[in-house]
Order: sequence, then C-alpha cells, then structure tokens
Amino acid sequence: NAGVTQTPKFQVLKTGQSMTLQCAQDMNHEYMSWYRQDPGMGLRLIHYSVGAGITDQGEVPNGYNVSRSTTEDFPLRLLSAAPSQTSVYFCASSIRGHGYTFGSGTRLTVV
Amino acid sequence: GESVGLHLPTLSVQEGDNSIINCAYSNSASDYFIWYKQESGKGPQFIIDIRSNMDKRQGQRVTVLLNKTVKHLSLQIAATQPGDSAVYFCAEINQAGTALIFGKGTTLSVSS
Repeated sequence: NAGVTQTPKFQVLKTGQSMTLQCAQDMNHEYMSWYRQDPGMGLRLIHYSVGAGITDQGEVPNGYNVSRSTTEDFPLRLLSAAPSQTSVYFCASSIRGHGYTFGSGTRLTVV
Repeated sequence: GESVGLHLPTLSVQEGDNSIINCAYSNSASDYFIWYKQESGKGPQFIIDIRSNMDKRQGQRVTVLLNKTVKHLSLQIAATQPGDSAVYFCAEINQAGTALIFGKGTTLSVSS
C-alpha cells in the first residue's frame, strides 16, 4: 500500500544512547518532514526537506539530525537521547501545494 | 511569527448533532489550510483542505469555512457519529510553503 512507513513503532532508549528513526514514502513526494507530539500539545516541526540533499530546521531541531540522500527516505537521528525527547514522532510527506500524508508514528521513551 | 490555534480544547456532542470546531490563525499571508483528524494511537489523517481564494469547501459530511477578515477557520461535521470521536487539528502551510504549522487540537467526544 502506498503511504508513509515509519519504523520502529515503539522504542525505549537509555539516556545518552543514539538511534535512528526510519521514514520511507513510496509516493514520489518531494517534501518530507518530521514532527514530535507531546501530551496536550499539537505537532511541532523538527526538521524538513524539500528534496534529496536539501534539509532545514524547524521549530524544535536541537538534539536531532536529518539527511535526505534519496527521495524516498528521510531518517531522523537522535545523537544522545535525553528524557526530554520522550515523545511520539511522526513523519509526513507531500508534493508542493498539497496536504501532507502522515505515518503511524514512533513512540519513543527515554529513561 | 506564524501560529495556528484552536478555540476550545474539548467538544462534547450527541450522536446526530452537527459539530463545529473552530480555529484562529495569526499569519494573514497564509494561503493554504488543512484539517486533520487523529484517532488514539494513530497518525493525523487528512480530512479537508481550503485555499485562501475560497470561503467554503464541502466534502462528505464535512465543510470548512474560511474567514480571512478575522483570520478564522472552522470545520463543520454534519450528523456526527461515534466514529468521529477524535482529536481535530487545523494546520497551515508555513510561509516558505515547505511544512505544516499545527494548532493544539480539539478533542471531539460523541455520545450515543
């Protein structure tokens, strides 16, 4: 099925560990972005990309890195996990001027 | 700055009623708005969108109204059903047109 695929669905990390959240889309969308969602809050933009090789920071980029080597994939890297990064992470993709399609999310807990 | 907000955090309605969820935005230059529905444990799901050259757009049981004068957006759901229970977010495209800016959401509860 076409769409946005995120892996893993759940993850528990220890403080200081690093990991990569995977995001892949098969719709040939040029725009991709990462959001985090905390309880009682809306989604906040972490990083986004407008095409392969082009990324930029969003509202809350600290502690996260991204790269976009292909149109399909947009991984999010946590360099040194902190409890404040406990959240649900969503990846989304779009073509210019249209609505975004979201993945089902990765629930991350940092202990 | 750019921000999108919702008027009420929760809305409770009876099955069969019409629901209205409101949203205020601050960037008068915004030209594209989207309503999303998020069910528990799932990602946001696209409901309907509207561009700034329109005042109203209708879908199946849903209508979005845009009032650019007061920077207000609303989502109307006709004949609300228990399956409509979810959190609803309005979102606008940022100034560069490259990502979404979300409000905090309204939780719609439908009782039968």
